[in-house]
Amino acid sequence: QKEVEQDPGPLSVPEGAIVSLNCTYSNSAFQYFMWYRQYSRKGPELLMYTYSSGNKEDGRFTAQVDKSSKYISLFIRDSQPSDSATYLCAMSANSGGYQKVTFGTGTKLQVIP
Amino acid sequence: DTEVTQTPKHLVMGMTNKKSLKCEQHMGHRAMYWYKQKAKKPPELMFVYSYEKLSINESVPSRFSPECPNSSLLNLHLHALQPEDSALYLCASSQLESQETQYFGPGTRLLVL
Repeated sequence: QKEVEQDPGPLSVPEGAIVSLNCTYSNSAFQYFMWYRQYSRKGPELLMYTYSSGNKEDGRFTAQVDKSSKYISLFIRDSQPSDSATYLCAMSANSGGYQKVTFGTGTKLQVIP
Repeated sequence: DTEVTQTPKHLVMGMTNKKSLKCEQHMGHRAMYWYKQKAKKPPELMFVYSYEKLSINESVPSRFSPECPNSSLLNLHLHALQPEDSALYLCASSQLESQETQYFGPGTRLLVL
């Protein structure tokens, strides 16, 4: 079983839709939870990060963490064609004084105008 | 300024060549990272530098040689690479106190012939 599972998609939605992206994990030691957006042939861009269970909102983006279920989500409201990208969840745990980051495989999102 | 820059953007090299990838950040981050990313896969950690010292080597073959000349610069020296080393090489940096929030550069796309 992989430490982090993420549906690869692709996920196609019409412009304006609410998008839900999800990851599950198995390692209880994960402390920080991040979402990265990666456009084709570009480096990942940090969108949001959270430490505790609950919701964190930033503009059209909401990150949700449920540690009891080992489940995290990213919601995108009023999706735009510019949101078309691959979204990577990432989680980190302390490993010998270093926060080792484990990435999900990414979900490819396409927002259709 | 949350920018990490990488040069070159693209690199084609033969298996006998020696080349170097460069990364620079001016955010005052004291942790810097090299990742390798194959198509449709998440980034894989290669090396971590903290305070300009190599702290983690994820069992990377010796044909990859990292170097951190100062707190803003990170190099990756390449020698005698194999075609399977073709990938996107990503540099990232973070504050040591918050290693989970890493900022990535745009990457160098490497093709080994």
